[in-house]
Amino acid sequence: NAGVMQNPRHLVRRRGQEARLRCSPMKGHSHVYWYRQLPEEGLKFMVYLQKENIIDESGMPKERFSAEFPKEGPSILRIQQVVRGDSAAYFCASSSQQGWDSPLHFGNGTRLTVT
Amino acid sequence: GESVGLHLPTLSVQEGDNSIINCAYSNSASDYFIWYKQESGKGPQFIIDIRSNMDKRQGQRVTVLLNKTVKHLSLQIAATQPGDSAVYFCAENRRGATNKLIFGTGTLLAVQP
Repeated sequence: NAGVMQNPRHLVRRRGQEARLRCSPMKGHSHVYWYRQLPEEGLKFMVYLQKENIIDESGMPKERFSAEFPKEGPSILRIQQVVRGDSAAYFCASSSQQGWDSPLHFGNGTRLTVT
Repeated sequence: GESVGLHLPTLSVQEGDNSIINCAYSNSASDYFIWYKQESGKGPQFIIDIRSNMDKRQGQRVTVLLNKTVKHLSLQIAATQPGDSAVYFCAENRRGATNKLIFGTGTLLAVQP
């Protein structure tokens, strides 16, 4: 009964490199959400995807960030040309339905450090 | 709106005491509220939720109270245990929106043995 799986758990990148974060939702869940958390802050919404579709990307920076959730395989959050300000914990969550009152189940996150 | 904190508020309690963690939300249109627990190095873990048509909901050792008049939410933990030590976040959403939760700053609960 695996929960939301994220990898890698820790990722170190130098400025200018690319970061790829992966998320496999809970079995049977087709809705995926990405959130970012800075130290000692709450989570901030980034993007909401269903299979092959981006539904809401209002929290995504306009440049360098992209997300996908292909028909097969995990959801990917991609950050190009990383900068120090991208250092944060990135959490993925999934739900079985879209509803505004459906609890989200979170993974344990990927901690990105940009040196 | 969203609050940004430079450091977390901390609640320190003795093992066995009851804990009350408070949260003020800003959007009067919010209809759905969730409490999450986050342990160090882990993701948020769902604890309990409540819809705006209720003012109280109970779970195992936890109770959530909602006061829509003053836009206030609280989480009560009975007989607090060392394993309850974590950061607790409230989150809100409104009817009809995508599941784009808005999280509060969080409160660090420290349980003293």
